[in-house]
Amino acid sequence: GAGVSQSPRYKVAKRGQDVALRCDPISGHVSLFWYQQALGQGPEFLTYFQNEAQLDKSGLPSDRFFAERPEGSVSTLKIQRTQQEDSAVYLCASSPPKADTQYFGPGTRLTVL
Amino acid sequence: QKEVEQNSGPLSVPEGAIASLNCTYSDRGSQSFFWYRQYSGKSPELIMFIYSNGDKEDGRFTAQLNKASQYVSLLIRDSQPSDSATYLCARLTGGFKTIFGAGTRLFVKA
Repeated sequence: GAGVSQSPRYKVAKRGQDVALRCDPISGHVSLFWYQQALGQGPEFLTYFQNEAQLDKSGLPSDRFFAERPEGSVSTLKIQRTQQEDSAVYLCASSPPKADTQYFGPGTRLTVL
Repeated sequence: QKEVEQNSGPLSVPEGAIASLNCTYSDRGSQSFFWYRQYSGKSPELIMFIYSNGDKEDGRFTAQLNKASQYVSLLIRDSQPSDSATYLCARLTGGFKTIFGAGTRLFVKA
């Protein structure tokens, strides 16, 4: 079946631009996670949704980062006024109900020039 | 101290040998642990999860958890070149966060 999909796969932005990254979770998965992975590091938790409710956004690094999942399916991570330190791979993962295991999408590689 | 610590490696083993990957964690309340494999340029994929003290085996993989000593390990038997990847240790917090280590790079030499 279809896995988690993310788009775009690659994004180059000029410093100061806004970007929007999309995640399509596996159908039926109520839990959705966003992570930021810098080169040579493990994924860093950003935020978590259960259906449309954002239950934890403690990992968002600044108020320039915003995530939403208005209908409990597709999610968008928005980064305003991008900075060079935002350059990373942004991973989305989803989990089925009552399960801890997460299924990751291919990620979006963001490069801020 | 990082919440989940791993030796970054690289760990190099010959084909057919046992690869031993270790991970320590700081939160004694941690209950659930995961090992993910990540090939270069790809996303993490789950290999094993373990909740209870002791060993859990799945094919060539064995996860070991020792809550008293706060470490988790992953053993890969009969290592193959295709096992060459970064192995990420992770723990699930009491809420919904999963905290990852920085990963250990494994090279299996043919």
